[in-house]
Amino acid sequence: GAVVSQHPSWVICKSGTSVKIECRSLDFQATTMFWYRQFPKQSLMLMATSNEGSKATYEQGVEKDKFLINHASLTLSTLTVTSAHPEDSSFYICSARGLLWSGELFFGEGSRLTVL
Amino acid sequence: GIQVEQSPPDLILQEGANSTLRCNFSDSVNNLQWFHQNPWGQLINLFYIPSGTKQNGRLSATTVATERYSLLYISSSQTTDSGVYFCAVEYYGQNFVFGPGTRLSVLP
Repeated sequence: GAVVSQHPSWVICKSGTSVKIECRSLDFQATTMFWYRQFPKQSLMLMATSNEGSKATYEQGVEKDKFLINHASLTLSTLTVTSAHPEDSSFYICSARGLLWSGELFFGEGSRLTVL
Repeated sequence: GIQVEQSPPDLILQEGANSTLRCNFSDSVNNLQWFHQNPWGQLINLFYIPSGTKQNGRLSATTVATERYSLLYISSSQTTDSGVYFCAVEYYGQNFVFGPGTRLSVLP
């Protein structure tokens, strides 16, 4: 299967700072990337969908100015948590889909964010 | 929107036992995937199975799209099978929706 890499795996930051998480498709071109958030012992909740070269589409209730998503190339999407607060602490996971893989989704390893 | 249910929510097995996990969905779907989330949080693709039956080693899955359910079979379970199993469905023009998951614990 295809490989999606996410970095960093975990990050601790102070309240008020911004954190950037990268999601890369290593062996395929990802036309669409998705960002999910997962709270402890809960399922994955879709935050936004990004298509290369266009603005991300955010799910209802997700603050666009808080969670900035950029999909500048077919292999890289970034999620920036701006002015992070303790309630933003969570597990963030990206996934990617490419033309050669029909509808199948592949996931990164996830990034655990802790805001102090 | 589409609703996805999984059962059972929790399952405890003795090593070597077999199990069946179920995923029900409320509307027609064009894609369905099963994932295993390991204790470190990583999601591992098990099956991409919008319809039919597939097998991979001790695991197999069957999706009956017309009846809106999918089953994941785990045979001869091992402790490394522990974790959370999610099914996710994609319905026409919409994004993948995840079920609540089945938390599996396999005891030695």
